[in-house]
Amino acid sequence: KAGVTQTPRYLIKTRGQQVTLSCSPISGHRSVSWYQQTPGQGLQFLFEYFSETQRNKGNFPGRFSGRQFSNSRSEMNVSTLELGDSALYLCASSLASGVSYEQYFGPGTRLTVT
Amino acid sequence: AQSVTQLDSHVSVSEGTPVLLRCNYSSSYSPSLFWYVQHPNKGLQLLLKYTSAATLVKGINGFEAEFKKSETSFHLTKPSAHMSDAAEYFCVVSDTNNNNDMRFGAGTRLTVKP
Repeated sequence: KAGVTQTPRYLIKTRGQQVTLSCSPISGHRSVSWYQQTPGQGLQFLFEYFSETQRNKGNFPGRFSGRQFSNSRSEMNVSTLELGDSALYLCASSLASGVSYEQYFGPGTRLTVT
Repeated sequence: AQSVTQLDSHVSVSEGTPVLLRCNYSSSYSPSLFWYVQHPNKGLQLLLKYTSAATLVKGINGFEAEFKKSETSFHLTKPSAHMSDAAEYFCVVSDTNNNNDMRFGAGTRLTVKP
């Protein structure tokens, strides 16, 4: 069974631009969560989608948004990029929502904002 | 709100000696606790989890952790370190009342010397 895939793996953007990251979950998984990892703030939860609905949201500004499609694939969008948005963005999928379901992480998308 | 503190940012051991990575948590409700490992340029992999069952939890690759409510601790141990254990380890807490709002510790980098 294929794992979680994230595209692109690396991305360089300029301040003020917007970016869209994509995550394809493991087949059959319906929950997708997004995380931001930076050296300064560590790993922080962004949001979770389950059955095309946002179930939970971390403490991030409205510039960070996401969506989930009917095939469970998810996209994350960051508008008006700032230098501080440079990070590794990780996506994780699980069969369903809830801590009893193991999350499987993708390799991440490394975003650099210049 | 829940939080987690990893007491050591860096731990160095010799191959074949025991590993101890320390984690203390704070949670208003019954917590679920996890340990994840992250190898360079890879996503996170679940080592083990505690979700209110047995307090001694056995995970993959010979790791285990013990949930101690009185000490609010969830330390990760392994009897004998292997070179392949060198990685970043994250302790994670999640309140069972708040699905998938997972709070990550700052991480502990484990170095294994030959």
